[in-house]
Amino acid sequence: KQEVTQIPAALSVPEGENLVLNCSFTDSAIYNLQWFRQDPGKGLTSLLLIQSSQREQTSGRLNASLDKSSGRSTLYIAASQPGDSATYLCAALDNNDMRFGAGTRLTVKP
Amino acid sequence: NAGVTQTPKFRVLKTGQSMTLLCAQDMNHEYMYWYRQDPGMGLRLIHYSVGEGTTAKGEVPDGYNVSRLKKQNFLLGLESAAPSQTSVYFCASSIRVINQPQHFGDGTRLSIL
Repeated sequence: KQEVTQIPAALSVPEGENLVLNCSFTDSAIYNLQWFRQDPGKGLTSLLLIQSSQREQTSGRLNASLDKSSGRSTLYIAASQPGDSATYLCAALDNNDMRFGAGTRLTVKP
Repeated sequence: NAGVTQTPKFRVLKTGQSMTLLCAQDMNHEYMYWYRQDPGMGLRLIHYSVGEGTTAKGEVPDGYNVSRLKKQNFLLGLESAAPSQTSVYFCASSIRVINQPQHFGDGTRLSIL
């Protein structure tokens, strides 16, 4: 059974700092790895999707990497802003079943 | 530009009562999903559908039933609510399951007393 872990559970950084969020998964036989953002009281918004054949994806200040052999993915946020404050979740897709991590709650202080 | 709409947004039930959560999407997506999100845990898949008239069990299907009579709607039913089903329920849809992002509704917050 696939298990997805995100550490740390919470992170607080000053505005402007570059940061990395971590995601690990136990079974490397995945179709893709997705990163989502969740604002309080809202649903999830897909940020980046990395297919199993890819190593990274970029969107604006966000860069996500995937290393299937080590079971790890990272989400890099450059020049963080207070508007980036949210919970970030990763999810691994295998055999039609998407498994989510519990998320990292990010606070960017002005 | 509605996307995925869930109704109701909030509901309080008594143990043993039944209810149906409605999910509607206007993106003509084939795949639809129901998840629950509990504190300190990631989302867990309850049931999903790969097309009109089809349903399948996810990771935590016990105590729930679903129906997909129309392509745009996916209903989640609780026949006899239990306190353990207190959670936030999210519906999502996608074009197809592999390498396409899922689009989520804003959730239904359900409390069972």
